[in-house]
Amino acid sequence: EVRMVESGGGLVEPGGSLRLSCQTSGFGFSATWLTWVRQAPGQGLEWVGRIKTGGATDYADPVKGRFIISRDDSKNTIFLQMSSLKSEDTAVYHCTALSSSGRFIFDRYWGHGALVTVSS
Amino acid sequence: DIQMTQSPSSLSASVGDRVTITCRASQSVSSHLNWYRQKPGTAPKLLIFGASNSEDGVPPRFSGSGSGTDFTLTISGLQPEDFATYYCQQTYIAPYTFGQGTKVDIK
Repeated sequence: EVRMVESGGGLVEPGGSLRLSCQTSGFGFSATWLTWVRQAPGQGLEWVGRIKTGGATDYADPVKGRFIISRDDSKNTIFLQMSSLKSEDTAVYHCTALSSSGRFIFDRYWGHGALVTVSS
Repeated sequence: DIQMTQSPSSLSASVGDRVTITCRASQSVSSHLNWYRQKPGTAPKLLIFGASNSEDGVPPRFSGSGSGTDFTLTISGLQPEDFATYYCQQTYIAPYTFGQGTKVDIK
């Protein structure tokens, strides 16, 4: 059974930093691309970024230069380091594992999410 | 970045109805289009990948079609558990953008 469990969420002041973790199990972590997707309260899904096998990353424009995704293959864990946080970063942050079928890729596995609230 | 636009933003329907949701990309994404269903307070669930391929275990009432810029999700015979929000997502080019969502509620 695949499990993806986020932790590290909480309340942080504007301009502050926070680090989320996503502990996974049940699939070949080191061979898998992983992503972070967030959802502001009452809003839709927003792609945050991805990390490929080997560590290469891509980010959405709103977080570029402020957020860093990393991975520890020895611990089957992905991280999201968030800095210079803004109120608009308030959201539930989900980690996902990308799967593929032929040339198609998709988010098959999702964590339940960690709530990050940016407020003074 | 590729922009994804869903229509309608919301709709009301009854159990047993046939429902169609459309998704348009701002440029071609070939067939790299996925559909998800999200119930309140839960993580999204993959329904369709590659525009028309059903995820394992997804009921056959869900079907997807389209390629290029225009895509459709059809639910043939709406069930109580289908009252939820649906999202399309392109995975052709990063960032893998989502549509804004379509909320399906009970008429």
